[in-house]
Amino acid sequence: DGGITQSPKYLFRKEGQNVTLSCEQNLNHDAMYWYRQDPGQGLRLIYYSQIVNDFQKGDIAEGYSVSREKKESFPLTVTSAQKNPTAFYLCASSTATQETQYFGPGTRLLVL
Amino acid sequence: GESVGLHLPTLSVQEGDNSIINCAYSNSASDYFIWYKQESGKGPQFIIDIRSNMDKRQGQRVTVLLNKTVKHLSLQIAATQPGDSAVYFCAENTHASGGSYIPTFGRGTSLIVHP
Repeated sequence: DGGITQSPKYLFRKEGQNVTLSCEQNLNHDAMYWYRQDPGQGLRLIYYSQIVNDFQKGDIAEGYSVSREKKESFPLTVTSAQKNPTAFYLCASSTATQETQYFGPGTRLLVL
Repeated sequence: GESVGLHLPTLSVQEGDNSIINCAYSNSASDYFIWYKQESGKGPQFIIDIRSNMDKRQGQRVTVLLNKTVKHLSLQIAATQPGDSAVYFCAENTHASGGSYIPTFGRGTSLIVHP
């Protein structure tokens, strides 16, 4: 079953803690993206990667970090510098030339 | 339709009615537009897309209209069903330097279908 998966579904973060959200795709897509969604808001771009070992900041990259060591994986770390991390995080992928993005099921991050 | 503010715009319709969801986009250089459907607690799903060289595109029960003059996009859903209840987002796309499209999403409109 091809697609894009995110784990965990729910994640709890303690004060001052870094947490990492997983995103994996088996669609052979070159580009991957991370978005943050707050209640009643649209999606805001955190980071994106168009190719392995390369990534670019989006509109709200502060307090987040990513890596792209493998084509199928694009993990997002929410660092302690992100003071308001509670949100729904969505990962997406697309081919380099095809524009439609395919989204994962999301991870809801909550702060304890 | 979509607008700036704290509350998500909401459209309530009766089952079987036609629904029209509107979206204003900001970048006149955007050349590719997508409508997504997002059910509660899930990721957005692709519904239909349209390029800037078209003004109308039809899918199964859905039609997207593009008016570049006023930078307006609409999604029409025919014979709306309870399963259509969701938040609908429009996205305008511009090319990133490496070739991928970077979308900008609207806030979304919540569609509620009453049986």
